[in-house]
This record gives sequence, C-alpha cells and structure tokens, in this order.
Amino acid sequence: KAGVTQTPRYLIKTRGQQVTLSCSPISGHRSVSWYQQTPGQGLQFLFEYFSETQRNKGNFPGRFSGRQFSNSRSEMNVSTLELGDSALYLCASSLPSGSADTQYFGPGTRLTVL
Amino acid sequence: AQKVTQAQTEISVVEKEDVTLDCVYETRDTTYYLFWYKQPPSGELVFLIRRNSFDEQNEISGRYSWNFQKSTSSFNFTITASQVVDSAVYFCALSGLNNQGGKLIFGQGTELSVKP
Repeated sequence: KAGVTQTPRYLIKTRGQQVTLSCSPISGHRSVSWYQQTPGQGLQFLFEYFSETQRNKGNFPGRFSGRQFSNSRSEMNVSTLELGDSALYLCASSLPSGSADTQYFGPGTRLTVL
Repeated sequence: AQKVTQAQTEISVVEKEDVTLDCVYETRDTTYYLFWYKQPPSGELVFLIRRNSFDEQNEISGRYSWNFQKSTSSFNFTITASQVVDSAVYFCALSGLNNQGGKLIFGQGTELSVKP
C-alpha cells in the first residue's frame, strides 16, 4: 500500500507570496491532518479535515487555510508569506474510526521563505 | 490543557548500550492515547507505537520496549542494544477524544545519537 505523499518536497518563496501544498493520503484513509515543524516551536497542529470538512483547528492565523476534496486529497494554503513561515509542513492521514486513530505521516514539504 | 514533556533534548550513546527516552504527559481526559514516532534525517515521522489510557501493560517489540505508568503520567521508551540506525529524533505524542481525535500534541523530541 502506498504511503502518504506530499508535493512538492521543497519550495522557495519570497515574503508576501502565497503557496499551496498538496497531500494524498493512504488509500482508504479519510482524515488528513497538517502540522508545522520548526526548530523553535517544534511540531504544531494546524488543522484536520474529514469528509471535506475542517474538524479541528490549531492556533494559527487565518493566513493558513486548507481544504479536502472528495477523494480525501488535501491542500493547504498559506497567503502573504512571512519569514517565520519557513518550516517543514507535514501531512498525516488516518482512517478514522471515531477514536484517536494512528496517524501516518508523509515525507513533508520544506518551505523556505526569503 | 494537554501537554507532553520530553526533558531530554539530546542523548548520545555508544552502540550496544541500552537507552531510555522519557516522556511525561498532562491531560484532563480520562480516555486518551499516547504515541511514539521516530524522525530520521529524511524528515518523515515513522509510527512506532500507540497505547490507550486503559492499557497499562508494557509492550515489547524486538529491541524496543515501552513502559506506561498512569500513576506518574509517564510513557517511557527503551531501546535495548542500540544500533547506529537508531539515530534519529524521537517524539512522544498525546491525543484525546472529545472531537480532538485528529490532533496530536507532541513533545519537543529527543535527539538520539548512537555512535559506533
């Protein structure tokens, strides 16, 4: 079974631009969660989507948004990029079955904002 | 509020030594789940184990073992006879119910370096 895939793997953008990251979950998984990883803040939850609806949201500004498609693929968008948005963005998928299902992570997209 | 603390930022051992990674958590949920993930230099988080709050049995998987103690809110991870390939950052994580199932709270991670 193929794992979680994320595209692109690397991105370089400049301040003020916007960016869209893509995540394809494991086949059969319907929940997709996004995380930001930085050296200073560690791994922080951004949001979770299930059945095309945002079910949970972390403490990030409105510049961070996402969506999920009917095939469970998900995208996240960051508008008006800031230097502090430079990070590894990780996507994870899980079934879910109603309890805290195990999340399986993709390789991440490394975003650099200049 | 939920919180996970991994007090050990970095650990360095020599191959074949045993090493224990500590994890202490805080939660008000009566039902919750604990996880350990491994992050090698490639960056992908690799799932190692999931444990629910009602199951305090210790778990052993090959050279890996986990000690879950609700009385001390700890979920420690031991690698026996460490190998160079075990070098990675290890994360402990917590997830609750009550519509928070898709959200993992991670500790800061412990970077393990195993030297030959």
